[in-house]
Amino acid sequence: RKEVEQDPGPFNVPEGATVAFNCTYSNSASQSFFWYRQDCRKEPKLLMSVYSSGNEDGRFTAQLNRASQYISLLIRDSKLSDSATYLCAVGAFSGGYNKLIFGAGTRLAVHP
Amino acid sequence: EPEVTQTPSHQVTQMGQEVILRCVPISNHLYFYWYRQILGQKVEFLVSFYNNEISEKSEIFDDQFSVERPDGSNFTLKIRSTKLEDSAMYFCASSTRLAGSETQYFGPGTRLLVL
Repeated sequence: RKEVEQDPGPFNVPEGATVAFNCTYSNSASQSFFWYRQDCRKEPKLLMSVYSSGNEDGRFTAQLNRASQYISLLIRDSKLSDSATYLCAVGAFSGGYNKLIFGAGTRLAVHP
Repeated sequence: EPEVTQTPSHQVTQMGQEVILRCVPISNHLYFYWYRQILGQKVEFLVSFYNNEISEKSEIFDDQFSVERPDGSNFTLKIRSTKLEDSAMYFCASSTRLAGSETQYFGPGTRLLVL
């Protein structure tokens, strides 16, 4: 099983649609969870940290289910500018040091 | 807003040559990382660095790779003898603390092409 798995995509949605991304992780000891956005040939940019209680930032909502080892990202009222690849990242914290394990990403294309 | 910066943005080199990729982390950050992304593939962890020493490295980070913090601001990744398969985007990242919820901020990357 891959350490971090995401929906392969791509997702093609019209403007205004709601789209959901899913991510599962294999290491039950993982302690930190993130969604990054990556535009073509650019660096990952932090979108949201994900907490057990769930968190919302405008049109974006992230959820974490530790029991199922599952993370989700919901984008409401999608905009053309949301078109990008969305990366799930899990912090592997061991021995006092942290590294991010990324999923392969899910590409989103929002069309008019 | 403070940013991680990286130079050069692009580097083309011949197989077997040494390259040094440079990064300036965010000024109050103490933990530094290198990741790479081969075209069309996922972002992969290479190495983490704290207190002037490597804290963890991946299987990719073999003897051909080294990292250094030569002064108070720069953080470098050296590839001693490049191979074709080293062609990738290399991202530097930095963070403020280790605890489980710390956030890593990425630089814009150096695109390395080995011919």
